[in-house]
Amino acid sequence: SQQGEEDPQALSIQEGENATMNCSYKTSINNLQWYRQNSGRGLVHLILIRSNEREKHSGRLRVTLDTSKKSSSLLITASRAADTASYFCATDQGGKLIFGQGTELSVKP
Amino acid sequence: GAVVSQHPSRVICKSGTSVKIECRSLDFQATTMFWYRQFPKQSLMLMATSNEGSKATYEQGVEKDKFLINHASLTLSTLTVTSAHPEDSSFYICSARDLGYEQYFGPGTRLTVT
Repeated sequence: SQQGEEDPQALSIQEGENATMNCSYKTSINNLQWYRQNSGRGLVHLILIRSNEREKHSGRLRVTLDTSKKSSSLLITASRAADTASYFCATDQGGKLIFGQGTELSVKP
Repeated sequence: GAVVSQHPSRVICKSGTSVKIECRSLDFQATTMFWYRQFPKQSLMLMATSNEGSKATYEQGVEKDKFLINHASLTLSTLTVTSAHPEDSSFYICSARDLGYEQYFGPGTRLTVT
């Protein structure tokens, strides 16, 4: 399977805490992207990090990429109940986006 | 921003019938579109890559005769699920890639086969 793996599969935290999700992949990539999906809805693009970048920030989001370990992490700081969703990493493999298994995040008020 | 639409958003069909799902890029041209399938509580699985004016490229394990893809114009790709069965019930999502290689996702189509 081309799909990468994400951990944890499910994460439950209290509002205000930080949430960290990890993604591993298997092949060389052009870039890695993170998406959010609310239950039964479409995807929301969060952030893109290129293969020559190591870290990127966007608001409360921080993404790291380690191409030597073929892994990435997404940190959401000061989480809110509205952050409750599934989060997916996706790697650009020759122009095709291949998604990881996803992490289901639940932020309790 | 770039917008991709899908139609219909929900469809219920009887087993054995065919159903067509449309994916449109509304404000940009897309030479390449992608079709994904997502079962409940699972991730998106790439089904096929649709190239304007040529045959689609299917991922391993996806039946090309069952999932017919047509990309007749730079703004429209269609996915037809032929002879649908209950196991084809899923969330189908398309994406369209612009000339700058950015991909934009449609809102998805929920197919229920009874």
